[in-house]
Amino acid sequence: QSALTQPPSASGSPGQSVTISCTGTSSDVGGYNYVSWYQQHPGKAPKLMIYEVSKRPSGVPDRFSGSKSGNTASLTVSGLQAEDEADYYCSSYAGSAHVVFGGGTKLTVL
Amino acid sequence: EVQLVESGGGLVQPGGSLRLSCAASGFTFSSYEMNWVRQAPGKGLEWVSYIGSSGSTIYYADSVKGRFTISRDNSKNSLYLQMSSLRDEDTAVYYCARGSGTPMVDWGPGTLVTVSS
Repeated sequence: QSALTQPPSASGSPGQSVTISCTGTSSDVGGYNYVSWYQQHPGKAPKLMIYEVSKRPSGVPDRFSGSKSGNTASLTVSGLQAEDEADYYCSSYAGSAHVVFGGGTKLTVL
Repeated sequence: EVQLVESGGGLVQPGGSLRLSCAASGFTFSSYEMNWVRQAPGKGLEWVSYIGSSGSTIYYADSVKGRFTISRDNSKNSLYLQMSSLRDEDTAVYYCARGSGTPMVDWGPGTLVTVSS
């Protein structure tokens, strides 16, 4: 499977909102409501932020939200804070327990 | 508290073998599906392999199929990845992760595998 397509970078000022896109195909993003988003700070393990397109695990601020339209999923971070600066990866189920990740987006808080 | 701790990484020559382990605690290991995910230096995440809770269902990414073997010992709360015929491009931090794959709820800190002569 090919990696999902994410913009390499995104940025916003504190308090602003930023949206990161994640484009796949009908065989992954478009075919299943199993899109997840992970946050990764430098040198750390990924942390689950969104699962099943728009659900938030316990403890994740409601400033993080997810959505999907067709073959493209999106992560929106509202009310940007300095600690949101990190790499963000989307992932999607691709059948037979296979998972495909996006290339990652580096979010910079200006 | 869920804890996953990988071990077994290190420097290995191309063509060599290495066995990674992941020690799990804080949850009923035998009830959960597990995965290995890797991240090459400065690169993105790549799913490597999946194993069902009983160990009877196993899947691999095409990039490692035939070279890597995932297994688990539920009596020891441990997950393994036997890697053989290692290539330069297998150099990465290897994470074990709890969950069906979508999502992977908990991750270990990772163990670095370096394939180099």
